[in-house]
Amino acid sequence: QSVLTQPPSASGTPGQRVTISCAGSSSNIGRNIVNWYQHFPGTAPKRLIYSNNQRPSGVPDRFSGSKSGTSASLAISGLQSEDEADYYCASWDDSLNGWVFGGGTKLTVL
Amino acid sequence: QVQLVESGGGVVQPGRSLRLSCTASGFTFSTYAVHWVRQAPGKGLEWVALVSNDGSNKYYADSVKGRFTVSRDNSKNTLYLQINSLRAADTAVYYCARAEPIDYWGQGTLVTVSS
Repeated sequence: QSVLTQPPSASGTPGQRVTISCAGSSSNIGRNIVNWYQHFPGTAPKRLIYSNNQRPSGVPDRFSGSKSGTSASLAISGLQSEDEADYYCASWDDSLNGWVFGGGTKLTVL
Repeated sequence: QVQLVESGGGVVQPGRSLRLSCTASGFTFSTYAVHWVRQAPGKGLEWVALVSNDGSNKYYADSVKGRFTVSRDNSKNTLYLQINSLRAADTAVYYCARAEPIDYWGQGTLVTVSS
């Protein structure tokens, strides 16, 4: 069981908007920033969102992040087939004194 | 450009030890904290360890405390992970990753623990 809870799967059709949730607690998301990573199996994961809602250069503005209380969300608008990947949230946990990842969400573009 | 290249993985018998390496290039290694993160087959990402830029502070996941040791040699731009008493549950792709929080990742090295 992961400390951060994500739905195991999500799906949408091309052009749709999809949201992936990440539920934590007061010791992690409630006090610290959230980052999101995109991972295509067999490759290096890629940073998608940092500091809750900031996009690194090169990441399309179709990707956005938000945080409220002890939860965070990743939204992908204008869904494209190349967005089909695994998505992970991550945050520092003050109680564990370490980083924690969500269990990952497999996004399928129908 | 930022590059992180892991090495040292392979097939290892249970109970044996292994040392993974991660060689960095394209940035000033000594100014960044670095992590190890692993992914077991069919599972999600699991944070393993973090070492500060100068090696003075180290943090570990509870699941590996006491068996894993993270270290770095800034003169060689290299990060290490010493894994002792290997178990089947340690079978995973091991990634090194830069910065706090993580911004760049390596491609990973596969460790398979099997008799």
